[in-house]
Amino acid sequence: QSALTQPRSVSGSPGQSVTISCTGTSSDVGGYNYVSWYQQHPGKAPKFMLYDVSKRPSGVPDRFSGSKSGNTASLTISGLQAEDEADYYCCSYAGSYTVIFGGGTKLTVL
Amino acid sequence: DVQLAESGGGLVQPGGSLRLSCAASGFTFRTSWMHWVRQAPGKGLVWVSRITSDGSTTNYADSVKGRFTISRDDAKNMLYLQMNSLRAEDTAVYYCATDVSYVPSSWGQGTLVTVSS
Repeated sequence: QSALTQPRSVSGSPGQSVTISCTGTSSDVGGYNYVSWYQQHPGKAPKFMLYDVSKRPSGVPDRFSGSKSGNTASLTISGLQAEDEADYYCCSYAGSYTVIFGGGTKLTVL
Repeated sequence: DVQLAESGGGLVQPGGSLRLSCAASGFTFRTSWMHWVRQAPGKGLVWVSRITSDGSTTNYADSVKGRFTISRDDAKNMLYLQMNSLRAEDTAVYYCATDVSYVPSSWGQGTLVTVSS
């Protein structure tokens, strides 16, 4: 199964908003509301940022929000801060108790 | 707080075997589904395997099916990944993670597996 499709990179200035897309198929993103997002800084473990498309785990700022339309999920980061610069990965349940990740997006804060 | 600590990584020759361990604490391990996810150097995250809370159901990525086995010991709060017939393309940092709504949630710091002659 191919990875979910994410843009290789996005960028934004401090205070701005950026959106990262994650495109799959009707067998994964489009078929279930079990999409999650992770933030990973260099050399660190991934951090759980969103699940069930738009729910935030405890401690995640409300600047991070998620949505889904059809086979594409999106992560929006508003009020961009320097510490948001990282790699971001989407993930979706893909049926039969399997999971698929996106290829990752590098966010640069200008 | 959830704490996960992977161990057992190292250098292994192609065709060899390795068993990874993940020590869990800070949550009720016996009722938790668990995942293994890997990340090759400079590459993205790839899901490897998942086990249900009672260990009765396991699932694998096609790339490791038949070679890797996930298991757990609830008495010791331990998760394992037995890796056999290792290939160069299995070289990666391996993370264990808890589960929320079918996806990985809390992650350990990972253990590096290098498959090379």
